[in-house]
Amino acid sequence: QKEVEQNSGPLSVPEGAIASLNCTYSDRGSQSFFWYRQYSGKSPELIMFIYSNGDKEDGRFTAQLNKASQYVSLLIRDSQPSDSATYLCAVLPGNQFYFGTGTSLTVIP
Amino acid sequence: NAGVMQNPRHLVRRRGQEARLRCSPMKGHSHVYWYRQLPEEGLKFMVYLQKENIIDESGMPKERFSAEFPKEGPSILRIQQVVRGDSAAYFCASSPFHSQETQYFGPGTRLLVL
Repeated sequence: QKEVEQNSGPLSVPEGAIASLNCTYSDRGSQSFFWYRQYSGKSPELIMFIYSNGDKEDGRFTAQLNKASQYVSLLIRDSQPSDSATYLCAVLPGNQFYFGTGTSLTVIP
Repeated sequence: NAGVMQNPRHLVRRRGQEARLRCSPMKGHSHVYWYRQLPEEGLKFMVYLQKENIIDESGMPKERFSAEFPKEGPSILRIQQVVRGDSAAYFCASSPFHSQETQYFGPGTRLLVL
């Protein structure tokens, strides 16, 4: 069964801190991994995708992938109040996305 | 270049009625995906379509739900004889080819079944 697990939170961090969001997945055949951000009442927007083990950095965001442990994470450096949203982890083992339920992040000014 | 458009943005139906949700992909995009998001749950894949073809409908409930993407016009997700459990946000996404990382989401249709 293809499952994506995320801690629903809420996760609260002070402004300027590092927010760490975690995701585990069950399908070892998964090759592509995505992080989406969804503001309340809005549609998901892609932040990053990662295919290879290790880290991938894009501005304040770093995605980390460990296929052996079936684990993918998202680090947000210098967190801003505008980062407050729900973060969805998604996995693509084949033809369709499998999404986690999302982690709610609140950045406290 | 307009983004993915969905209409209506909000739809209220009584139990037993039909709901018809429309999605116009971005210009030049020929791949459409429909997702459902129930309250406090993640996005669930429903169906993947190309023009005039259903490619993968493994996430679609077997009864009452259907989808199409005609040669001309928007993609339609149809829900017949709606029940309260169908209340959710329905998102459409499009991509120029079958490449998930270039998938762009529309604003969604919020369906409320009374």
